[in-house]
Amino acid sequence: EIVLTQSPATLSLSPGERVTLSCRASQSVSSYLAWYQQKPGQAPRLLIYDASNRATGIPARFSGSGSGTDFTLTISSLEPEDFAVYYCQQRSNWPRTFGQGTKVEIK
Amino acid sequence: EVQLVESGGDLVQPGGSLRLSCAASGFPFSSYSMNWVRQAPGKGLEWVSYISGTGGSIFYADSVKGRFTISRDNAKNSVYLQMNSLRDDDTAAYYCARDYCTSTSCRYDYWGQGTLVTVSS
Repeated sequence: EIVLTQSPATLSLSPGERVTLSCRASQSVSSYLAWYQQKPGQAPRLLIYDASNRATGIPARFSGSGSGTDFTLTISSLEPEDFAVYYCQQRSNWPRTFGQGTKVEIK
Repeated sequence: EVQLVESGGDLVQPGGSLRLSCAASGFPFSSYSMNWVRQAPGKGLEWVSYISGTGGSIFYADSVKGRFTISRDNAKNSVYLQMNSLRDDDTAAYYCARDYCTSTSCRYDYWGQGTLVTVSS
């Protein structure tokens, strides 16, 4: 099973700041990595697929990069609605696995 | 408009059974693979199971293998999760998610709102 490790666990930031979230895989997942955003009481929402492709309707301030074992989700300038938990997920191997999540909270 | 609506969540005793349903609309259901993903209270996401559009390909997480069975009825635009031998650690919100695939890429592009399963005596 591929283990995805996200860091940090929590980020305390202010609106307008730049955010960089990390996801590291225990073995190569090529570019088969997605990022999801989840707000309290809501279902997850797809942000990025195949490491760097924005999903439909996702603002340009969200970007993804990386391949192999190291991936990054960047939010160029935090908006109030971006405070949430972010998960990475690999679709390279079965079973599909998620990282444990990074919470982006208001400072 | 794509919609996924889960149902069937309930309070059940350890060792009991439950069948979850996910009703889909707004897209050609049989053309899409579907997944179940769960989230224990206050915890992260855990992929549970996958079924291809025809139902010919199925995968499970090790944590549910042998206890849970995924199935689908394309005539009813629905996917199901039969859960047997339920344990306390199966307590979670269960989401169904559509697997949108092109020739080179797949992703979970639509999710239902979730249905809550509580396993407790």
